[in-house]
Amino acid sequence: AQSVTQPDIHITVSEGASLELRCNYSYGATPYLFWYVQSPGQGLQLLLKYFSGDTLVQGIKGFEAEFKRSQSSFNLRKPSVHWSDAAEYFCAVGGIDGGGADGLTFGKGTHLIIQP
Amino acid sequence: NAGVMQNPRHLVRRRGQEARLRCSPMKGHSHVYWYRQLPEEGLKFMVYLQKENIIDESGMPKERFSAEFPKEGPSILRIQQVVRGDSAAYFCASAFLASGTHNEQFFGPGTRLTVL
Repeated sequence: AQSVTQPDIHITVSEGASLELRCNYSYGATPYLFWYVQSPGQGLQLLLKYFSGDTLVQGIKGFEAEFKRSQSSFNLRKPSVHWSDAAEYFCAVGGIDGGGADGLTFGKGTHLIIQP
Repeated sequence: NAGVMQNPRHLVRRRGQEARLRCSPMKGHSHVYWYRQLPEEGLKFMVYLQKENIIDESGMPKERFSAEFPKEGPSILRIQQVVRGDSAAYFCASAFLASGTHNEQFFGPGTRLTVL
């Protein structure tokens, strides 16, 4: 069965500092990987996705993520965070088993707090 | 192009009542997914539907929950005889699937169900 682990429940970062959010996945086939962001009381917005090809993917809002198959990881990074980045971040995995149509499996999320 | 629409945004029910949650996918999307988010948790996949067909309901509770996506109109998630444990945010996502591509799921703003 597929699973996603986000080891950090909360992370506090100073504004302007760099950020890395960790994500490890377990999936028996070629994974499709996603990072979503959720602001309080809102839906999910896709930050970036990895399907194939270059293992370093660029997303919106200055985020990037690197797929490392050997480590089963897909960590999210940002070189300099802004106060508006405070939110909940979810890593998710889907696959091609269903022809690319699987429901996604989400991690439990990392709550990002930005200090002034 | 309007995004995924969900209504109502907030729904309050008393124990034993029925809850009906609606989801209108993005224009041109014929695939709908429902997810449930419990407090302090990530999203859990419930069901995947295409027009007039349930494709995967492996995440649906065996009793009281049902979903449909008729030929015309929105997708409906129906919860009969609600209990307090059904209190959660319910998110709908839609996707357009073309041959050889993966589904990028676009999420609605969610319906927050409170059972008194």
